[in-house]
Amino acid sequence: DQQVKQNSPSLSVQEGRISILNCDYTNSMFDYFLWYKKYPAEGPTFLISISSIKDKNEDGRFTVFLNKSAKHLSLHIVPSQPGDSAVYFCAASVTSNYQLIWGAGTKLIIKP
Amino acid sequence: EAGVAQSPRYKIIEKRQSVAFWCNPISGHATLYWYQQILGQGPKLLIQFQNNGVVDDSQLPKDRFSAERLKGVDSTLKIQPAKLEDSAVYLCASSLRTASIYGAFFGQGTRLTVV
Repeated sequence: DQQVKQNSPSLSVQEGRISILNCDYTNSMFDYFLWYKKYPAEGPTFLISISSIKDKNEDGRFTVFLNKSAKHLSLHIVPSQPGDSAVYFCAASVTSNYQLIWGAGTKLIIKP
Repeated sequence: EAGVAQSPRYKIIEKRQSVAFWCNPISGHATLYWYQQILGQGPKLLIQFQNNGVVDDSQLPKDRFSAERLKGVDSTLKIQPAKLEDSAVYLCASSLRTASIYGAFFGQGTRLTVV
């Protein structure tokens, strides 16, 4: 049973445009959501997180939106840059039991 | 600041053999995680330590996997005996507080191939 789903295995976006990565979840008990970025042959790196009591969190070019009623979150990258080409993982947690549940990842390709 | 160190980077073994992975977390990080990432999937938590105590090992296949964290610093993950389905990247991560909120720092991982 996949509690966190990233339905798009890959996404191609023109440099300078907006990249939108999507994530859906099923467990209404999740209270924190995180996005990680992963380059080939490296471990994932933490990008941005959002608490379930918020609907938006922004950090520079990265904004995460949370829609609790739809159990959906998205990561917006504006403007997209070549260095943003990577695999992006969505993860969710119930803080009381510490565990992070991960999606399968979306490979973002930024075209020049 | 030094990152999370893992070794070896790559390992190829035959099924039924044993293998061990080593992790040195970021200095001062009390929480240490071992994840298994199978190709095309997200990381799956195998075990989580808080200092040298186990917080969560519910998804660790205890008949063949074991892990320890001596003195609350370095950690080793062992597989004995290995199966073909254990082929994956094994990631170690550490954090100051629960990674649920603040994120965790990952090592480069060990790519294990069981043949």
